[in-house]
Amino acid sequence: GQSLEQPSEVTAVEGAIVQINCTYQTSGFYGLSWYQQHDGGAPTFLSYNALDGLEETGRFSSFLSRSDSYGYLLLQELQMKDSASYFCAVRDDSDSWGKLQFGAGTQVVVTP
Amino acid sequence: DSGVTQTPKHLITATGQRVTLRCSPRSGDLSVYWYQQSLDQGLQFLIQYYNGEERAKGNILERFSAQQFPDLHSELNLSSLELGDSALYFCASSVGQGSSPLHFGNGTRLTVT
Repeated sequence: GQSLEQPSEVTAVEGAIVQINCTYQTSGFYGLSWYQQHDGGAPTFLSYNALDGLEETGRFSSFLSRSDSYGYLLLQELQMKDSASYFCAVRDDSDSWGKLQFGAGTQVVVTP
Repeated sequence: DSGVTQTPKHLITATGQRVTLRCSPRSGDLSVYWYQQSLDQGLQFLIQYYNGEERAKGNILERFSAQQFPDLHSELNLSSLELGDSALYFCASSVGQGSSPLHFGNGTRLTVT
């Protein structure tokens, strides 16, 4: 089976930096993904890490340590529009085609 | 716009009824996934299809069934509906599996009264 843990909520002010941690347990592992979901909207893909290290995409970066079964999403120069839920997800290919399982999500609240 | 189309956007029905949710994947995508999201909850994986065949199953209730048709669109059938089935149902598609990112539709909000 799989399990993912991430904090339920993080609050920060505009311009700040936020780090959302995700720890996972899975029998197989094929990468850690991050998705953003604004209230009531469709989740959108942010990043994917298959190998250890940091991936940077604009103001957002994602990190993975496979030995620690741990990753994080770093949101820099926070903007009001970054207020949303952020989900980490892992794909477990120990079964046939690797369903993508999501964590419970971290609600990021950005204040002025 | 993700290119994934879900219909209807909203559905209100009574307990015991049956509904069908429809999903058209992004052009070129062969994989279709269904997820359920209850109020303030995460995304619960239901089922995945690849090119018409079922490939992975999550904690999908026996009252729920799905299929993917030759034109790659998919339908999720929910029967004997209960109040607890009220949720947002998302369809997502991807080119394949593995590292392919999922592209989500805007969801169908189901309310069971």
